[in-house]
Amino acid sequence: GNSVTQMEGPVTLSEEAFLTINCTYTATGYPSLFWYVQYPGEGLQLLLKATKADDKGSNKGFEATYRKETTSFHLEKGSVQVSDSAVYFCALRVNRDDKIIFGKGTRLHILP
Amino acid sequence: DADVTQTPRNRITKTGKRIMLECSQTKGHDRMYWYRQDPGLGLRLIYYSFDVKDINKGEISDGYSVSRQAQAKFSLSLESAIPNQTALYFCATSHGGSTEAFFGQGTRLTVV
Repeated sequence: GNSVTQMEGPVTLSEEAFLTINCTYTATGYPSLFWYVQYPGEGLQLLLKATKADDKGSNKGFEATYRKETTSFHLEKGSVQVSDSAVYFCALRVNRDDKIIFGKGTRLHILP
Repeated sequence: DADVTQTPRNRITKTGKRIMLECSQTKGHDRMYWYRQDPGLGLRLIYYSFDVKDINKGEISDGYSVSRQAQAKFSLSLESAIPNQTALYFCATSHGGSTEAFFGQGTRLTVV
């Protein structure tokens, strides 16, 4: 079946550090891939997405590239800020069955 | 006003009680979802609906039921609440295909 595996947290970094959160997936068909972010006390909101192989999604300084050969969609940011502290979820959606499958989430703490 | 509204935002209930969580949306989307979020387990799909006449079980539907009263309303019921149903519950909506999902603010349910 379809699934998403992302690195466990929490991840703690200093401000201005480089961030990578790994995400790999298993899917039948051709999924769309997403990163969602959940700030404290809030619901999830879309951070970025990619709908086909080699697409790069980007938003707010975050980037992720859809790598079909490695079935990966790693999230990166060159210089994190305290305000980036949140829980990040990798997700996929296979058009055929239309369910959205989430990873377990990675909690990110950024220290000033 | 929020596009996806969940009520109540917080609820404490006793074991064995019936409880209903409600979700309404103003986005005009046909697809609606209920997820629960538990620490370390991420988001797990309970039920999803592609239109008023189409209801589907997710990965953890046991102990839950749903009703799609209208395109804009999707409610989740716990017929006889138990403590391990204590969690954060999210409603989400989307269009078909590769588009993103939009989430409500969540309902924090505690079963004592």
